[in-house]
Amino acid sequence: GDSVTQMEGPVTLSEEAFLTINCTYTATGYPSLFWYVQYPGEGLQLLLKATKADDKGSNKGFEATYRKETTSFHLEKGSVQVSDSAVYFCALSGEGFKTIFGAGTRLFVKA
Amino acid sequence: ETGVTQSPTHLIKTRGQQVTLRCSSQSGHNTVSWYQQALGQGPQFIFQYYREEENGRGNFPPRFSGLQFPNYSSELNVNALELEDSALYLCASSSYRGYNEQFFGPGTRLTVL
Repeated sequence: GDSVTQMEGPVTLSEEAFLTINCTYTATGYPSLFWYVQYPGEGLQLLLKATKADDKGSNKGFEATYRKETTSFHLEKGSVQVSDSAVYFCALSGEGFKTIFGAGTRLFVKA
Repeated sequence: ETGVTQSPTHLIKTRGQQVTLRCSSQSGHNTVSWYQQALGQGPQFIFQYYREEENGRGNFPPRFSGLQFPNYSSELNVNALELEDSALYLCASSSYRGYNEQFFGPGTRLTVL
C-alpha cells in the first residue's frame, strides 16, 4: 500500500542554519504531496503542497519539490528561526479517500 | 470564516467506557476525516464521512464508529475503551475527499486509565 518515510529526528540546528528534512513515498498513481507542521499542543497546519511532478510548493521560506523519478518531496529552508521549532509531517493523498502521514520529524532551533 | 473546532479539548476515561468526540467542519466543507495520533507518531486515518455517509475506513476495529450530520459536523464514538486508545484525535475537513487540502482542528486529547 501507499506509504511515507521521513527522516528520524530530532533535528537540532542553530538559528540561520540550512534545513533539509528528507521524505520519500511509495504510491500507485499520481498522489498529491504535503508538508504539515504541528506546534506544541496544537493540531496540524498545512505548510505547503504539490499536486503533480516537478511542482514546487513554497510557504514562509520553506520549499519542497515533487520529484517523481526519485519519489521524494524533501523539505528545505535556507535560514531557520527559533519559531520554526515544531514537528514536521510529510504526507500524501492519492486516488483514495485518505491522507497518509509519515512519522514526523521534530525540529529544535537554538538561538 | 470559522475554522475546524473540536470538543472537548481533553478527556479522561477508564477502560471499558464509551466516549463521543465532536467536530464542526469549516464553512463550505462537506467532508470530514478522523485521525488518531499516538504520542510521537504521525496521524493514522480512522474514517472519512462525505455527505453523511462513510466514504472509507482505515484499519480500526468496529468499536470505532462515526456520524456526520446534515450541517456536516461529525462525531467519533469509541466503545469499550482500551488503554491503547489513549491518543490525540484529530478531525479534518475538506471540500471533497483527499485530493484537496485538509484543514485540521486542534484535536481532543483522550486518556484512558
